[in-house]
Amino acid sequence: AQKITQTQPGMFVQEKEAVTLDCTYDTSDPSYGLFWYKQPSSGEMIFLIYQGSYDQQNATEGRYSLNFQKARKSANLVISASQLGDSAMYFCAMRAPNFGNEKLTFGTGTRLTIIP
Amino acid sequence: EAQVTQNPRYLITVTGKKLTVTCSQNMNHEYMSWYRQDPGLGLRQIYYSMNVEVTDKGDVPEGYKVSRKEKRNFPLILESPSPNQTSLYFCASSLVGTAYGYTFGSGTRLTVV
Repeated sequence: AQKITQTQPGMFVQEKEAVTLDCTYDTSDPSYGLFWYKQPSSGEMIFLIYQGSYDQQNATEGRYSLNFQKARKSANLVISASQLGDSAMYFCAMRAPNFGNEKLTFGTGTRLTIIP
Repeated sequence: EAQVTQNPRYLITVTGKKLTVTCSQNMNHEYMSWYRQDPGLGLRQIYYSMNVEVTDKGDVPEGYKVSRKEKRNFPLILESPSPNQTSLYFCASSLVGTAYGYTFGSGTRLTVV
């Protein structure tokens, strides 16, 4: 079964500092995709970044990067130079073949608060 | 604009009164799915559909029904809602394949009293 674990329920970070949100995953499928989504207080789900299981390099999208350590089954999100607008809930998710249901499996999320 | 349109955004209803949450996508995606989000539990899949007339249960299907008569529409039906179905619901669509993330609807906040 697919499983995503986010061990940080909440984090407080000073503005302009970098922040790392932890994510570990478990799957027996060799091919899978890892995703991070942001959910601001308004409730919508915003895609941030994607990493494929066969990708050799860590994914980057602007201030977001994904620290992918395949052997450790880890896919941490790094936000550089945090901004007040980064305050939100962040979800790590994985998509794997999963016996034909290619669902996104989500972690329980990390609530990030940026302090001015 | 490519999007998933989900309605209504907010709904308060009484126990046992049948309701439908609509979902429509304009991206010609094969895969559509419904999730519910509850505090501390993340998002859990209710039902999914790989294509027209092909639907299957997710992790928490009890008390819900779906149909996929057209590729663009995937309504969620609660035949007899109960208070434990009070939640934030998301419809999502995507292409098939592990490299594709979901496009989410804007969510429906349902309260059953």
